[in-house]
Amino acid sequence: GAVVSQHPSRVICKSGTSVKIECRSLDFQATTMFWYRQFPKQSLMLMATSNEGSKATYEQGVEKDKFLINHASLTLSTLTVTSAHPEDSSFYICSALPDTLFSTNEKLFFGSGTQLSVL
Amino acid sequence: GQNIDQPTEMTATEGAIVQINCTYQTSGFNGLFWYQQHAGEAPTFLSYNVLDGLEEKGRFSSFLSRSKGYSYLLLKELQMKDSASYLCAGNTGGFKTIFGAGTRLFVKA
Repeated sequence: GAVVSQHPSRVICKSGTSVKIECRSLDFQATTMFWYRQFPKQSLMLMATSNEGSKATYEQGVEKDKFLINHASLTLSTLTVTSAHPEDSSFYICSALPDTLFSTNEKLFFGSGTQLSVL
Repeated sequence: GQNIDQPTEMTATEGAIVQINCTYQTSGFNGLFWYQQHAGEAPTFLSYNVLDGLEEKGRFSSFLSRSKGYSYLLLKELQMKDSASYLCAGNTGGFKTIFGAGTRLFVKA
C-alpha cells in the first residue's frame, strides 16, 4: 500500500524558533499534497494545498509568511512554522494525492502527524 | 461556503448498531470520505462514496445521497475498539478535502 512518512512525530521548541516538518511519499509520486492542522478535540482544518514546482495555495485565514510550504520534488513537501508561538501548538498532518490513482477507494494517504508544542 | 455537519458525540453499546449522520454543503462536490481517528493519531480511511447508494465493507457501511447532501456511516456489531472519532469529509474538487468536526463515539460494555 501507499506510505507517507512524516517527520518529526513530535517536537518541542522555544517561542520564536522555526520548525520544519517533512512529508514524504515513499512509494509513489505526488504532485499535490495537503497540510492540515488539528487542535485538541477538533477536526482537521485544511491549511494549504502544496503543488510541486509552484506556489502553495493557502486557505483563508492562514498566513503564508508564517507557514512556509516548499514542494521541491514529487515525493517531498515541507511545512516550516516560522517564529513559532504557543498558539501554534497543534497537531499537523499532511496527506498526499498519488499522481496515478490506485484502484482502491483510498485516494488520499496521510502521514502520521507531528505534534508541535511551543513553550 | 463549506459546511459539513455531524453530531458531536454518540454513545452505543457493545454488539449494537450505530449510525452516524453527516450533512454537507460545499461549493464543489466530487465525493465523500469517512475516516476513523484515535486521539493523537492520523485518520484511518474507512470509505469513499462517489455515487448514490450504500456501500458495505465488513462491519462498516457508508451511504450517500448527493441530491440531499447527506451521508451516513453504519457500524454493526460494535466493539470496544470502535470507540474513536469518526470524520466525515467532502472532496470539493481535485481531492481538496474539507473535514467535518468529527463525531466522538463511545462504546460501552
